[in-house]
Amino acid sequence: GAGVSQTPSNKVTEKGKYVELRCDPISGHTALYWYRQSLGQGPEFLIYFQGTGAADDSGLPNDRFFAVRPEGSVSTLKIQRTERGDSAVYLCASSVTSGSPPSGANVLTFGAGSRLTVL
Amino acid sequence: GESVGLHLPTLSVQEGDNSIINCAYSNSASDYFIWYKQESGKGPQFIIDIRSNMDKRQGQRVTVLLNKTVKHLSLQIAATQPGDSAVYFCAETGGAGNKLTFGGGTRVLVKP
Repeated sequence: GAGVSQTPSNKVTEKGKYVELRCDPISGHTALYWYRQSLGQGPEFLIYFQGTGAADDSGLPNDRFFAVRPEGSVSTLKIQRTERGDSAVYLCASSVTSGSPPSGANVLTFGAGSRLTVL
Repeated sequence: GESVGLHLPTLSVQEGDNSIINCAYSNSASDYFIWYKQESGKGPQFIIDIRSNMDKRQGQRVTVLLNKTVKHLSLQIAATQPGDSAVYFCAETGGAGNKLTFGGGTRVLVKP
């Protein structure tokens, strides 16, 4: 596609429920990143994929958070037993590759995000 | 859309004036420094980057300055326009994977 697409744009759920957030990266981009942004803060790294594999998941806050990218394109961020503190905007970004500097044609392009509200 | 930076430092600028946004970074090993612009309800949008072996880089109406001695980065916007109103984040990256570490952000408000 022309840009990074994220769905849903807004999700309201109740505490304890399970949530899935989807990211469709730019076609041909092998690197995919998930970030979380709380109100008034900069985005915080969660996990990134190079191809199908999670290359670095050091930013995932706990084992309730999990992400997959089974075919090396679309990725799903999964949150189990949601808590009110999980409320944030979840941003996805993609780039051509994670193996070259994030400059020029390889800049990270972000989607508009999925806003999650846990009541 | 939702406002991103309700409690961020704010820079109010008259339309047509120049804007300077500052950022302090912490990791002296970072290779690249990047400025992103984020409008309400949208994701961050790449503006310009600079490599650690440079101290200045210019783009269209924007200039980024890097001072590694004091770990300081700035973004200068020439002839600020209403469309420049947004929250601006600096980010740094180094090492494997191009993980970005974002700063806290500055809101720019352009007054007509």
